[in-house]
Amino acid sequence: AQTVTQSQPEMSVQEAETVTLSCTYDTSENNYYLFWYKQPPSRQMILVIRQEAYKQQNATENRFSVNFQKAAKSFSLKISDSQLGDTAMYFCAFMIRRPGNQFYFGTGTSLTVIP
Amino acid sequence: EPEVTQTPSHQVTQMGQEVILHCVPISNHLYFYWYRQILGQKVEFLVSFYNNEISEKSEIFDDQFSVERPDGSNFTLKIRSTKLEDSAMYFCASSVGEGNQPQHFGDGTRLSIL
Repeated sequence: AQTVTQSQPEMSVQEAETVTLSCTYDTSENNYYLFWYKQPPSRQMILVIRQEAYKQQNATENRFSVNFQKAAKSFSLKISDSQLGDTAMYFCAFMIRRPGNQFYFGTGTSLTVIP
Repeated sequence: EPEVTQTPSHQVTQMGQEVILHCVPISNHLYFYWYRQILGQKVEFLVSFYNNEISEKSEIFDDQFSVERPDGSNFTLKIRSTKLEDSAMYFCASSVGEGNQPQHFGDGTRLSIL
């Protein structure tokens, strides 16, 4: 069975500070992809960052970066220089590379950026 | 930037009725998906669709559910004989390919069963 665990239901951070959202997952597969999606109050799920499991180098997208620890099955998201627009629900997800491309999502972390 | 479009944004239906949720995926995408999110819970996979057939479906996607791509642009989810527990946000998504190609999500349709 594939599972994704986000142990922090809610977090807050001061504007301009750095925050890390945790995610762990469990799978017996070796070939998969990891994603962080953001769901602001407007509801649409927006891709934040993605990581291929076979790549050792951590992905980075502007202020967003990940700490991917494959052996520990950990995939945390770091947001630097937090902005008010970062306030949203963040979902960790992974996808096994096979027909169907099913995503497995975590329960989400609600992040509030405080001015 | 192209978007996945879902209509309606909110659907209210009497229990036992049939409902059809509409989605227009991004035009050059080949893979289509439906997910649901019950209030306060995680997003759950329902079904994926490729080459005019279902690629994979979850346990949630039973005989009550069906998907269709009636023309070159729409991708619909039909729920027959709706139940109270079908109340949820339903998200459509599409991707251009497999593997690390991200899925692009629509705004969702909030389905309320009375």
